[in-house]
Amino acid sequence: DIQMTQSPSTLSASVGDRVTITCRASQSISTWLAWYQQKPGRAPNLLIYKASTLERGVPPRFSGSGSGTEFTLTISSLQPDDFATYFCQQYESYTWTFGQGTKVEIK
Amino acid sequence: VQLLESGGGLVQPGGSLRLSCAASGFSVESYAMTWVRQAPGKGLEYVAGISGRGGSTDYADSVRGRFSISRDSSDNTLYLQMNSLRAGDTAVYYCAKASGLVASGSYLTDRGQGTLVTVYS
Repeated sequence: DIQMTQSPSTLSASVGDRVTITCRASQSISTWLAWYQQKPGRAPNLLIYKASTLERGVPPRFSGSGSGTEFTLTISSLQPDDFATYFCQQYESYTWTFGQGTKVEIK
Repeated sequence: VQLLESGGGLVQPGGSLRLSCAASGFSVESYAMTWVRQAPGKGLEYVAGISGRGGSTDYADSVRGRFSISRDSSDNTLYLQMNSLRAGDTAVYYCAKASGLVASGSYLTDRGQGTLVTVYS
């Protein structure tokens, strides 16, 4: 299976900060990568697919980049609604694998 | 698009459960459908998937031989039959629709709110 490693596991930030989360794949996945946001007690929501394509309705302060094995999710100016856990997911293979998650906390 | 899971609950190790996912707004035969789970306080884990049209199936190593994914086009429902359950299977199980016909090359577009499975002794 393709392993996905996210960093950091936890991130403390303030409203207005620029935040970057990294996701690394154990082998090349081209741009077959998605990012999801999950809030406590809720199901995950799609933010970005194909590494950099913003899902409809997602605010443009979210952006994704990367290809091959290294990817980033950036929030340009953190808003109160953005405090949540973020997961990356590869879909290059039939069996999807997810990163372990990055919790964005209020500093 | 709506996905509504049911069938979760408490079960002893070695027991069985059958999860259902009622879909509306699309046909479960037109897209790959998957089950993804999340253990308490943990990340997301792919469990099983079934492709659109042909209906080929795939499983995570952790559940292969114990779980079975299927669908019924007559009532537009996805199922997950879970046998020989273990404590490690305790999780919220989400039914998810993929963006394409097969999971490879498709991402998760829609999911239900999940159903909790607790395996206890």
